[in-house]
Amino acid sequence: DGGITQSPKYLFRKEGQNVTLSCEQNLNHDAMYWYRQDPGQGLRLIYYSQIVNDFQKGDIAEGYSVSREKKESFPLTVTSAQKNPTAFYLCASSISPSGRNTGELFFGEGSRLTVL
Amino acid sequence: SQQGEEDPQALSIQEGENATMNCSYKTSINNLQWYRQNSGRGLVHLILIRSNEREKHSGRLRVTLDTSKKSSSLLITASRAADTASYFCATLNTNAGKSTFGDGTTLTVKP
Repeated sequence: DGGITQSPKYLFRKEGQNVTLSCEQNLNHDAMYWYRQDPGQGLRLIYYSQIVNDFQKGDIAEGYSVSREKKESFPLTVTSAQKNPTAFYLCASSISPSGRNTGELFFGEGSRLTVL
Repeated sequence: SQQGEEDPQALSIQEGENATMNCSYKTSINNLQWYRQNSGRGLVHLILIRSNEREKHSGRLRVTLDTSKKSSSLLITASRAADTASYFCATLNTNAGKSTFGDGTTLTVKP
């Protein structure tokens, strides 16, 4: 079945460590996104990519990095520079970023990161 | 900051009642979408309404859009316990190439 797969579902990290969250999609979507969700709050955009080998900062990019070497994959690295990384991270994709489609987002099941 | 703001933040109703959630936004949009999130899960797209539409229906869902007031509402009729979830509005601005989410309304439907 087509969809978006995020891994791991749960991740624990010690302070000072970098961690990478995986996001893979087999929907043949051009655009991919990373959101952060804190308890009881909405989604805040970290990074997004409209096409392979290109990505843009979202509203809260500091302390995060991404790559888009393949259309199917958009991994997110939470670096030690991120001061408060404990959160629920959601990856999403859309057919194309804007103009040519409705922007409907398809989400993965999320990765919960806890810093110990 | 989030463009969309949902109201109320939390809503508790009995099964069979209707649930209405509102969303306000600040800038021009191409469309507005509503998503549902079960606790600890990803978001699922429910319904989309374009900026030139005023009302849209899908099953037990009814969405309205008032671009002059920059607001939208989501009505769930004849609610069920399984409708318990958080509901988010998201606005798309194609110039920006991204959607912006509100903080959501948490709906609890009591059996």
